[in-house]
Amino acid sequence: AQSVTQLDSQVPVFEEAPVELRCNYSSSVSVYLFWYVQYPNQGLQLLLKYLSGSTLVESINGFEAEFNKSQTSFHLRKPSVHISDTAEYFCAVSANYGGSQGNLIFGKGTKLSVKP
Amino acid sequence: NAGVTQTPKFRILKIGQSMTLQCTQDMNHNYMYWYRQDPGMGLKLIYYSVGAGITDKGEVPNGYNVSRSTTEDFPLRLELAAPSQTSVYFCASSYSNQLAGTYEQYFGPGTRLTVT
Repeated sequence: AQSVTQLDSQVPVFEEAPVELRCNYSSSVSVYLFWYVQYPNQGLQLLLKYLSGSTLVESINGFEAEFNKSQTSFHLRKPSVHISDTAEYFCAVSANYGGSQGNLIFGKGTKLSVKP
Repeated sequence: NAGVTQTPKFRILKIGQSMTLQCTQDMNHNYMYWYRQDPGMGLKLIYYSVGAGITDKGEVPNGYNVSRSTTEDFPLRLELAAPSQTSVYFCASSYSNQLAGTYEQYFGPGTRLTVT
């Protein structure tokens, strides 16, 4: 079974400052890793994903995350945030073998609040 | 493609009433899921389906039922609504194959349900 821990429930930050949202996972099998973003009163949107290959993955709006297998982490970073990045961010993991149930296990979320 | 659509967007139920939350996807995904989201708790899996005619329980199935007669539709039924079922409900879908497992899930916009 897998589990996900998001270490911060809320992260306040000023506009144009860097931010890191932390995510650790545990699993007895190899995993796929995901970050989803949820803007107020909306559904979840995929921000970025690690399936295989390069351990550093990037999104189109400047976020990046690095898969660190030894530390079982998948932290999300952005060097300079905007007001529009204010949202809740969810880290998720799924088992990456054929025949797996395909269920995502979510962390409890981190609310990023960007202040002017 | 419309992606994953859910109806209704909002609903208020009285205790003991029943209702069906509708979910449709047009991406020909084989897997579909129902989650509930409560503040500060992340997303919890209610039921999932790996294909038409096949459903299984998730983490919190009590008080709910599902069916999957077609690839596209995955309705969630609430019988005898209770205040504990006040939540935001999300439907999701994904593609899975026998070799690589399951990739990202695509989410609908959600249904906000209040039981009073």
